[in-house]
Amino acid sequence: DGGITQSPKYLFRKEGQNVTLSCEQNLNHDAMYWYRQDPGQGLRLIYYSQIVNDFQKGDIAEGYSVSREKKESFPLTVTSAQKNPTAFYLCASNHRDRGPEAFFGQGTRLTVV
Amino acid sequence: GNSVTQMEGPVTLSEEAFLTINCTYTATGYPSLFWYVQYPGEGLQLLLKATKADDKGSNKGFEATYRKETTSFHLEKGSVQVSDSAVYFCALSGNPSGSARQLTFGSGTQLTVLP
Repeated sequence: DGGITQSPKYLFRKEGQNVTLSCEQNLNHDAMYWYRQDPGQGLRLIYYSQIVNDFQKGDIAEGYSVSREKKESFPLTVTSAQKNPTAFYLCASNHRDRGPEAFFGQGTRLTVV
Repeated sequence: GNSVTQMEGPVTLSEEAFLTINCTYTATGYPSLFWYVQYPGEGLQLLLKATKADDKGSNKGFEATYRKETTSFHLEKGSVQVSDSAVYFCALSGNPSGSARQLTFGSGTQLTVLP
């Protein structure tokens, strides 16, 4: 089955540590996105990538980094510079030139302990 | 820039009641409009979409019509079920020059349906 896989589902981080969230898709989508969701709020865009080896900052990129070495993969690193990292992180993808809808993974819940 | 304003929740209804969740938007050009649904602890699932004015998206008994004159995309269902309890997000996809088709989301509306 085609889809987007995020791992892990739950992640705990100590203060000062960097952590990497995985996102893999087998939909042959060009574009991939990372969103952050806080309780009772909508989704805010962190980073996005339209093609391999290229990515752009979204609205809240500070304290995060990404890479796009393969079309299928778009990992997100939450660095120690992110002051409030506890949140639900969602990865999404879509075609650059086809239907505009985006498809989402199941999310990773990150908690700082 | 693009923005989506969504009816605030939470909304609590009895089973078989009529549902409306209001959504209005601000965007340049001709965006595509979406409703996504999120069940507890999960990602977002596309519920329905409309890509041009006067289009009606529908799925699982839910409907929404793209109204350009009122910049609205209200979600409706004639008879809700307990299984419809979830958070509903209105979103738009603009396509400004040079950008990917990232979505702009409303703040979400929590719907609880009681038996």
